[in-house]
Amino acid sequence: SQTIHQWPATLVQPVGSPLSLECTVEGTSNPNLYWYRQAAGRGLQLLFYSVGIGQISSEVPQNLSASRPQDRQFILSSKKLLLSDSGFYLCAWSGAVGGYTFGSGTRLTVV
Amino acid sequence: KQEVTQIPAALSVPEGENLVLNCSFTDSAIYNLQWFRQDPGKGLTSLLLIQSSQREQTSGRLNASLDKSSGRSTLYIAASQPGDSATYLCAVKGGTSYGKLTFGQGTILTVHP
Repeated sequence: SQTIHQWPATLVQPVGSPLSLECTVEGTSNPNLYWYRQAAGRGLQLLFYSVGIGQISSEVPQNLSASRPQDRQFILSSKKLLLSDSGFYLCAWSGAVGGYTFGSGTRLTVV
Repeated sequence: KQEVTQIPAALSVPEGENLVLNCSFTDSAIYNLQWFRQDPGKGLTSLLLIQSSQREQTSGRLNASLDKSSGRSTLYIAASQPGDSATYLCAVKGGTSYGKLTFGQGTILTVHP
């Protein structure tokens, strides 16, 4: 069966520090991968999606970037965090058919 | 641009009641519709997935219907329990197998013992 792993679960980082969140999927090949952010009191916002290795599409201009170095690995990064980057970050995957499966999320607090 | 609206925003009911959560979307050219549950501070758990060619899906006490032409879906919860308390999210996938997911704002459900 397919599983999705996301870490860390929580992270407190100072303003201006770098960020790296990792997501991996097991039990499937060539998944579509997604990064979402859920800010307090707001809905889920799609940040990045990827349909293959090295293929990244950005939905909103921001301080973040994403990379897909391997088929089942998706990384969310920032060189210098802002206070506004705080939120709950969710990784997800989907196949050609079927729905989305989400990871357990990372709670990021920028202080 | 697809927009998804969920009504009501919040719902508080006593245990045992049957519930209906509503979801509407503006663009009927969807690939599928998915209902999720989110507990506080947790990720999203998929409850039901309805393909665009389907009318409904059932899982235990949950039943979801889809009327694509009118842009509506309902999630029916039978005999609600305190453990059903959570935020319920409706999401539609764009018109291709690789379409993006657009979420509603969610319905916060509280079931009192």
